[in-house]
Amino acid sequence: EVQLVQSGAEVKKPGESLRLFCKGSGFTFTNYWISWVRQVPGKGLEWMGRIDPSDSETNYSPSFQGHVTISVDKSIKTAYLQWNSLKASDTAIYYCARLETYPDYWGQGTLVTVSS
Amino acid sequence: DVVLTQSPLSLPVTLGQPASISCRSSQSLVYSDGTTYLNWFQHRPGQSPRRLIYKVSNRDSGVPDRFSGSGSGTDFTLKISRVEAEDVGIYYCMQGTHWPPGYTFGQGTKLEIK
Repeated sequence: EVQLVQSGAEVKKPGESLRLFCKGSGFTFTNYWISWVRQVPGKGLEWMGRIDPSDSETNYSPSFQGHVTISVDKSIKTAYLQWNSLKASDTAIYYCARLETYPDYWGQGTLVTVSS
Repeated sequence: DVVLTQSPLSLPVTLGQPASISCRSSQSLVYSDGTTYLNWFQHRPGQSPRRLIYKVSNRDSGVPDRFSGSGSGTDFTLKISRVEAEDVGIYYCMQGTHWPPGYTFGQGTKLEIK
């Protein structure tokens, strides 16, 4: 069974760093791009970027380029989404997903709350 | 950049009645290979999103046949033939034709039961 399992909820302060994980199982991890999608409370879905686990090639949405880093450790079938300095506006649910397959697969989502 | 505009943004529907959501793109979504990369997603409350329709009109596995997609070029439509209670949620169109900027979602349409 294909699964994407994500980190648990996080509560952080502005300026802190954070790394979320997304662990894949039930499929050949290096064969599929992993995307990250944001949902700010009360707002719509936003695609942030994706990574090819086979070679770590990344594509970022211009809206998120430079604000987050997407990385991968293929030895443990895990993709990451990282911030060096969080802002209150980063408060959101973050999903990892496999979007280029039929069907698509999504993680359960991680709620990140950034508040002083 | 390509912009997807959905309408309506709020859609109250009586159970058993049809529903229709429009998605208009600021640019043609036909890729150089002739494929149109326009998808529809459903996001139910408390769940992860899931894709319903890919490449305009293809239903993903497990998606009820009351969902259908149509359109071409810049104008696309998601139709639900008879709305059921489990269809409550937010529906998004998403393009995958133009890179950059990469995948782009519409603003979302909130479907609720009247």
